[in-house]
Amino acid sequence: DAGVIQSPRHEVTEMGQEVTLRCKPISGHDYLFWYRQTMMRGLELLIYFNNNVPIDDSGMPEDRFSAKMPNASFSTLKIQPSEPRDSAVYFCASSPPLAVGYTFGSGTRLTVV
Amino acid sequence: GDSVTQMEGPVTLSEEAFLTINCTYTATGYPSLFWYVQYPGEGLQLLLKATKADDKGSNKGFEATYRKETTSFHLEKGSVQVSDSAVYFCALSGRSSASKIIFGSGTRLSIRP
Repeated sequence: DAGVIQSPRHEVTEMGQEVTLRCKPISGHDYLFWYRQTMMRGLELLIYFNNNVPIDDSGMPEDRFSAKMPNASFSTLKIQPSEPRDSAVYFCASSPPLAVGYTFGSGTRLTVV
Repeated sequence: GDSVTQMEGPVTLSEEAFLTINCTYTATGYPSLFWYVQYPGEGLQLLLKATKADDKGSNKGFEATYRKETTSFHLEKGSVQVSDSAVYFCALSGRSSASKIIFGSGTRLSIRP
């Protein structure tokens, strides 16, 4: 089991550019979560999916953020256009059905300059 | 709404000292409770969990007991090591994995040799 795989590990981009973060959940996990971590706000749940369907996106900050899960083994979080205040570590996590607790990926550290 | 409150850090201890990190929660029903640990540059890892009142979760010498009467889930370790230096997050979730995991703000622990 390779765990939850996120790419890239680090991303530095200029303000206004499009950024795409990627996540491969653990095989068999029906739930996928995107979190953002900053010093100011801690861990924030952005959106989560069940069986590839978005269930709750109330944590997505604004229309510049979008997330997709085209199949059970892949999800993306896109920011367009990016802004310096989007700089954070973005985590993906997955969970099997009826389980308690998530498995997190190693995160993507995003820096927008 | 549901929430988790944990003691603010940073907490600095000498090696072999006794550790307590306090955590209290507010939730409807009977949530599951967790401690996650985040080592520098890594994602969160599940350290231990408890799913019902009076359960004790334990792992790597750490323990926490689900106390419904005091709505608490304090983390303890009898003798800490330098390798325990990390950020510790208390968290709760509803009864199914469809529920969001709500995290506390984290407590940074530093252990001096």
